[in-house]
Amino acid sequence: AQTVTQSQPEMSVQEAETVTLSCTYDTSESDYYLFWYKQPPSRQMILVIRQEAYKQQNATENRFSVNFQKAAKSFSLKISDSQLGDAAMYFCAYRKDSNYQLIWGAGTKLIIKP
Amino acid sequence: SQTIHQWPATLVQPVGSPLSLECTVEGTSNPNLYWYRQAAGRGLQLLFYSVGIGQISSEVPQNLSASRPQDRQFILSSKKLLLSDSGFYLCAWSPGHPAGDTQYFGPGTRLTVL
Repeated sequence: AQTVTQSQPEMSVQEAETVTLSCTYDTSESDYYLFWYKQPPSRQMILVIRQEAYKQQNATENRFSVNFQKAAKSFSLKISDSQLGDAAMYFCAYRKDSNYQLIWGAGTKLIIKP
Repeated sequence: SQTIHQWPATLVQPVGSPLSLECTVEGTSNPNLYWYRQAAGRGLQLLFYSVGIGQISSEVPQNLSASRPQDRQFILSSKKLLLSDSGFYLCAWSPGHPAGDTQYFGPGTRLTVL
């Protein structure tokens, strides 16, 4: 069965600095999708970034980028120039190509220090 | 653009009372629809998903049920609430055809069962 592991329950970073959140997953599939979602105090789940496994190029969305290491089954999120509004829970998720279900990590709480 | 609505935003119900949570999507047709539950400080648990009107798949056996009476409407129900049903309920949608991988979430409903 597929699993997603986020080994950092909580991370903190100084405002304007860079932080990296870790995510590893276990799968025997070759085609799949990976996601990072952000959940601020409002609790609405917001898509941050997605990555297709067949693409070698790492996805980037403004200050957010990923380091996708397919062989190592690692999918870390880098947030550059951290802002107070980045404070939230961050969830890593996996979706097998032929399945509708998202497999979720337990989340990492990101604290931004002013 | 697509939007997803959930209501009510907050609900307090006594044990044994019925439940009806509603989710609607605008700006798309034939979406896949999902109901998730999130306990405090935890990740998301998929409850139901639907790929079309009247087509419901249940992931977790419980006293909850789901229905999809219209293409863009998804309802979560219970005949008799339990204390353990308390939590944050999120509805999500993804493109149906071609098969969409990214799920987009509504604002959620906070349910407290007393």
